[in-house]
Amino acid sequence: NAGVTQTPKFQVLKTGQSMTLQCAQDMNHEYMSWYRQDPGMGLRLIHYSVGAGITDQGEVPNGYNVSRSTTEDFPLRLLSAAPSQTSVYFCASSYGPSGGTGELFFGEGSRLTVL
Amino acid sequence: RKEVEQDPGPFNVPEGATVAFNCTYSNSASQSFFWYRQDCRKEPKLLMSVYSSGNEDGRFTAQLNRASQYISLLIRDSKLSDSATYLCVVTDFGNEKLTFGTGTRLTIIP
Repeated sequence: NAGVTQTPKFQVLKTGQSMTLQCAQDMNHEYMSWYRQDPGMGLRLIHYSVGAGITDQGEVPNGYNVSRSTTEDFPLRLLSAAPSQTSVYFCASSYGPSGGTGELFFGEGSRLTVL
Repeated sequence: RKEVEQDPGPFNVPEGATVAFNCTYSNSASQSFFWYRQDCRKEPKLLMSVYSSGNEDGRFTAQLNRASQYISLLIRDSKLSDSATYLCVVTDFGNEKLTFGTGTRLTIIP
């Protein structure tokens, strides 16, 4: 019963470094998405994908890249980390277009600090 | 104006009391509505969907008012375990983008 697995759980980067947050789900969900959560800002959508090979931008895509080569995996890449990207990142998946059931299954989160 | 607005609280409520939260949304074309619950330093989890006719799940009741563009959550006979942050969620017309409110923090006091 793995569900949505995110790695790493914690990461500290220096400004300018790049890294990839990994996300994998074993529920055969078509829809996957990345959110960041900041105090007082709520969860904000970064990128999402409605199926393998299809990705689209959310509310705050700048500074992040995604790809969806398989149904299971949806990695989030930080190209050149900035202190403004210090946040908690959540990956989520859903059976279909997210509103179909409304139930997004979230990973446990990745806490990223950029110095 | 934010797309989805919630009173951040905190709401400090004695055990056994009834508490209600409201959430307003700005896009009249919004399609679907939900309440999620998030425990401290954990991931959000779906609490319940919100239907036009209103719906109830045990001690929890959710209502939708499309004319005034708000949804509500009522918790009766509150338990210590209800302490959490409650997130209001609204989807766009295509149901591909979920917009989360900033959350209302609830603490149940023994």
